[in-house]
Amino acid sequence: DSGVTQTPKHLITATGQRVTLRCSPRSGDLSVYWYQQSLDQGLQFLIQYYNGEERAKGNILERFSAQQFPDLHSELNLSSLELGDSALYFCASTVGGSNYGYTFGSGTRLTVV
Amino acid sequence: QQQVKQSPQSLIVQKGGISIINCAYENTAFDYFPWYQQFPGKGPALLIAIRPDVSEKKEGRFTISFNKSAKQFSLHIMDSQPGDSATYFCAASYNQGGKLIFGQGTELSVKP
Repeated sequence: DSGVTQTPKHLITATGQRVTLRCSPRSGDLSVYWYQQSLDQGLQFLIQYYNGEERAKGNILERFSAQQFPDLHSELNLSSLELGDSALYFCASTVGGSNYGYTFGSGTRLTVV
Repeated sequence: QQQVKQSPQSLIVQKGGISIINCAYENTAFDYFPWYQQFPGKGPALLIAIRPDVSEKKEGRFTISFNKSAKQFSLHIMDSQPGDSATYFCAASYNQGGKLIFGQGTELSVKP
């Protein structure tokens, strides 16, 4: 157990739907990063939050959004889902605002049918 | 400029052999180069990392070799074991960037 908790582990949904993925960082970690892992694109950075504020943005689609709450857990919202959104979604956390020493969760496997 | 290129895509090594995975980068602002190991159904886990002011770092059977002038770095796994069979990712970042940029991954299979 890495200390980073992601729920749910698996999610199957239909095209056009909206889902929310949840991440609880390691105790004491202030930064949360979201990554998408697909077979053809590898691990792609989506977005980073630090202590509730958006810190960096990557290849995140406009249909996707995220937030980090006062208790530091984060949610990734995916809407108007397409077949191509099927992937593993990971979050990682670090103590400070830097990216040294990421700890990843076990991921959420999203299947869009 | 932001890419990290990793090779080979897959690698088969006999037990006891040396596994070598290579990565190359373009952005000279990168200052942190970690390697991650990922088993099926799990998230990537930090294996070993190096900064560009050293040319080699060793932790047990795992060694990173770093060539700043060539903008390349590699992971060597000595005495490879079947339990090392996993996907390995190199990555790079600069502190202010707030993100790790990953290579495409290498699927390592160690045969008994």
